[in-house]
Amino acid sequence: AQSVAQPEDQVNVAEGNPLTVKCTYSVSGNPYLFWYVQYPNRGLQFLLKYITGDNLVKGSYGFEAEFNKSQTSFHLKKPSALVSDSALYFCAVRDMRRGGFKTIFGAGTRLFVKA
Amino acid sequence: EAGVAQSPRYKIIEKRQSVAFWCNPISGHATLYWYQQILGQGPKLLIQFQNNGVVDDSQLPKDRFSAERLKGVDSTLKIQPAKLEDSAVYLCASSSEVSEQYFGPGTRLTVT
Repeated sequence: AQSVAQPEDQVNVAEGNPLTVKCTYSVSGNPYLFWYVQYPNRGLQFLLKYITGDNLVKGSYGFEAEFNKSQTSFHLKKPSALVSDSALYFCAVRDMRRGGFKTIFGAGTRLFVKA
Repeated sequence: EAGVAQSPRYKIIEKRQSVAFWCNPISGHATLYWYQQILGQGPKLLIQFQNNGVVDDSQLPKDRFSAERLKGVDSTLKIQPAKLEDSAVYLCASSSEVSEQYFGPGTRLTVT
């Protein structure tokens, strides 16, 4: 069955330090992987996606993510965190073998960046 | 480019009452999604439309929830009658083909 896990409910990091938000997935076929961010009282915003090609994908606001097929992971990273990065982050997976109709979202990881 | 529009932004109703939410997707996006997001959880897909046809409604509580997208553009999600556990944020999103989804601001529903 298709699933996605975000093992950390919360990640705390100091401003200027690198950040990582973890995501692992399980699908039967080839995955399409996404990261979204949700700021308070706002809808989700797309950050980046992996479909095929280079395992390191770059997205909005300086974020990047690395697709690791052997570890079935798609961790979100940023070299230097900003206080304004504090938000709720969701990993999502789409199983393309099943026609890619359904996207499954993780439970979310809350990122706190301290000044 | 205009984003996904949703209304109302907030709604408070009593249990057993009915409520309707409206969504207008990004122009040209064939796929429209309705999600339920309960506090502290990730979005859960309720129903997915491709143009005006239903692609997936496996998690839609069909005894009380209904949705339509008559002309393949905007959509309405209805709850009748509402229960306390329906209190959540209802998100509408749209996408073209298999690309990323674009979300509206959501409707926060409180059932008392």
